[in-house]
Amino acid sequence: AQKITQTQPGMFVQEKEAVTLDCTYDTSDPSYGLFWYKQPSSGEMIFLIYQGSYDQQNATEGRYSLNFQKARKSANLVISASQLGDSAMYFCAMRDVYNQGGKLIFGQGTELSVKP
Amino acid sequence: AAGVIQSPRHLIKEKRETATLKCYPIPRHDTVYWYQQGPGQDPQFLISFYEKMQSDKGSIPDRFSAQQFSDYHSELNMSSLELGDSALYFCASSSPQGTEENIQYFGAGTRLSVL
Repeated sequence: AQKITQTQPGMFVQEKEAVTLDCTYDTSDPSYGLFWYKQPSSGEMIFLIYQGSYDQQNATEGRYSLNFQKARKSANLVISASQLGDSAMYFCAMRDVYNQGGKLIFGQGTELSVKP
Repeated sequence: AAGVIQSPRHLIKEKRETATLKCYPIPRHDTVYWYQQGPGQDPQFLISFYEKMQSDKGSIPDRFSAQQFSDYHSELNMSSLELGDSALYFCASSSPQGTEENIQYFGAGTRLSVL
């Protein structure tokens, strides 16, 4: 069975600094996708970044990058130049690529607080 | 760009009542997913539909049912509501199956409170 683990319930970062949110996963599937979502206090779930298991390069989207280490089964999210608006809950998720339903399995989440 | 539309945004019901949640996916997205997020919890998968057929089922109570219609919108029907059903219910949609990314884009959610 697939499993996602986020070991940091809460993190603090100073505005304009970089922060890394940890995510480890477990799966026996040869092909899978890894995702990060942001959930502000308003509740919506916002897609941030995607990494495919066969991608050779780490994914980047603006200030977000995904540090993908396949051998270690980790997919850490790096946020550069943190902004006050980055304060939110962040979820790491995994999907089996070839599952017809393609459901997402989420980690427990990390609450990030950006200090001015 | 058009996003996933969920209605209503907020819903208050009494125990044993019924509720219907609606979801309108992003245009040309053919797969819809429903998730339930309890307070302080991560989202849990309930059910998904691909081309109007159920494609996967998670820990969805028998009191809940869902379907996807010909215009690809989906409805989640919840009967005999219990206090424990109070949660944030998300609908997500993704582009046609077979593409590796299949990124799921979420709606703003329906916050259901059962009193």
